[in-house]
Order: sequence, then C-alpha cells, then structure tokens
Amino acid sequence: KNQVEQSPQSLIILEGKNCTLQCNYTVSPFSNLRWYKQDTGRGPVSLTIMTFSENTKSNGRYTATLDADTKQSSLHITASQLSDSASYICVVSAGTGTASKLTFGTGTRLQVTL
Amino acid sequence: EAGVAQSPRYKIIEKRQSVAFWCNPISGHATLYWYQQILGQGPKLLIQFQNNGVVDDSQLPKDRFSAERLKGVDSTLKIQPAKLEDSAVYLCASSSVNSVYEQYFGPGTRLTVT
Repeated sequence: KNQVEQSPQSLIILEGKNCTLQCNYTVSPFSNLRWYKQDTGRGPVSLTIMTFSENTKSNGRYTATLDADTKQSSLHITASQLSDSASYICVVSAGTGTASKLTFGTGTRLQVTL
Repeated sequence: EAGVAQSPRYKIIEKRQSVAFWCNPISGHATLYWYQQILGQGPKLLIQFQNNGVVDDSQLPKDRFSAERLKGVDSTLKIQPAKLEDSAVYLCASSSVNSVYEQYFGPGTRLTVT
C-alpha cells in the first residue's frame, strides 16, 4: 500500500528562524514528489515538484530535497515569516499519465510567531 | 488565468439531508478531481474525471455520494443522505492533459453536518 508519512505533525517557530519538515514515502512506481502549502481555509498550492533524478529544488525561501534511495524528502524554510504559517503537505505520484495516483501525507502544521 | 472556482464556500446541514457542491475548473483542463479532506488529514481522492468520463471512483462511497461532469467542464458532487462523518472540506482540482501532475486546487467547500 502506498503511504506518505510526514513529521513533525506540528511545529511552532519564531519569525526569522529556519525549519525543516520531513517526508518519508513508500510509493511505487515513483514518479514525482511535490510539496504543497495550504493556508487555512484555502486549497493547497504547489511549492516544488521533483522527479526521480532531481535531488534539490528551490522556490524562494523554500528548498526541497529528495533522496530517492532512502525515499525521503525534506522541505527547508529559511528566514521564516508570519505568512509561512500554514500546513505543508507532501504528495507523491505513482505511475504516469492519466493513470497516475497521488498519495497525500497528513501534513505538518507550521505556526510562525513573533 | 482564473483559478478553480467552487461554491458554496461553507455549508451547514443536518444529518440525513442532501447537499451539492459545484466546481468550475481552469479553462481547458480536461481532468477534474474531487477530494475529501477531513480536519487534520491530507486530501483523499473521491473521484477523477477525464473530460466527462470517470477515470477513478474507487474511494467514492457510492451509496451516498454521486458526481457528474456532463459537458466535460463544470462538475457537481452530491451527498444524499449526509452523515456526521461527512463533515470535511471538499476540494476540487483540475489539471491539463499535458501536465496531469500539476493539479490546481480550488478554495474548497467546508461542510458541517450536525
């Protein structure tokens, strides 16, 4: 069964600090991994997408890494801002084309405080 | 480019009542998805359409849930009769044929069943 596990479940950090969110997956056949940001009351918005051959990708202050051998990914947020407060969801895609299946993690809820 | 539109944004009903949600995907997106997101969990795929045909409805509780996309554009998701455990956010997403991994989510409809 395809699974995506995220840790920690929730996190509180001070504004300006860095943080790293973790994602472990057992998905086959692996196609790509995506990190989404979901603000309260809104739908998820894609931050990064990585395929098997990519091991790092950045989007502003967000940097995602992928280790396809250990099936782990991390999302690093640099110099956090209050607007980073949201849930971050790791999503892994199996298969290709219209037959691809997405497996969602349960998310990490990040709160950035003053 | 307009995003995925959903309505209503919020709905409160009593158990055993019926409810319907509407989704208008991004123009030109052939694939449309309905997800159920229970509080504290990641989204769970209910049904996937390719134009007006169903690709995957394996996790749709067909005894009470139904969905249609008659003209291959807008879609409606119906629950009849609702149960308390149906309280969740219902997300609609769409993607183009050329990039099925790039799903764009709507803001969701928050359903509360009392």
